Amino acid sequence: DVQLVDSGGGSVQPGGSLRLSCGASGFPFNEYWMSWVRRAPGKGLEWVANIKRDGTEKYYGDSVRGRFTISRDNAKNSLFLQLDSLRLEDTAVYYCARALRLAEDPFDVWGQGTMVTVSS
Amino acid sequence: SYEVIQPPSVSVSPGQTARITCSGDNLGEKFASWYRQTPGQSPVLVIYQDNKRPSGIPERFSGSNSGNTATLTISGTQTMDEADYFCQAWDSHTVVFGGGTKLTVL
Repeated sequence: DVQLVDSGGGSVQPGGSLRLSCGASGFPFNEYWMSWVRRAPGKGLEWVANIKRDGTEKYYGDSVRGRFTISRDNAKNSLFLQLDSLRLEDTAVYYCARALRLAEDPFDVWGQGTMVTVSS
Repeated sequence: SYEVIQPPSVSVSPGQTARITCSGDNLGEKFASWYRQTPGQSPVLVIYQDNKRPSGIPERFSGSNSGNTATLTISGTQTMDEADYFCQAWDSHTVVFGGGTKLTVL
């Protein structure tokens, strides 16, 4: 089965750090662009970051640029998101998702999400 | 930066047709996708490339995209269709989501 499994969420104080992981199985991971999307309580979906198949291109949303870092390990079929300088407004469920071709294809498979809570 | 706008809520009676719009500058020149999300669940793709349905999505879901507006249409709406619906488009290398529309079936 095609599957994405998110992990690594937790509670952290403002200014702290977390590293999220997403394990992929059932499909050729290195053929897909991968993304992180989040949904804060009471808010809508917000795109966080994209990474190219080989990891050579990365793009970030305005609210996280300079604080979050997306990366991948194709040998381990894994996607990561390093969250630094966390703010209260980063509290959200974080999902990884895949897309075959940038600007053409949708996010057709999503992880189950991992909760990040930033609180003092 | 590019934005797409959705109505916060849409209400429909069971069996009727629900239409959820997504507006953005020349949105018709981009591909629009739609996702549904219920509480505690991950988003699920229901329409992609404006009007295509993934396998497993009922035929009552359809989509269109022209000019500045993409529309998700749910024909013969059922109570199980109550959910938040999000449109999504690509703006170069970045992703844009609409604010979401809460569909109420009552």
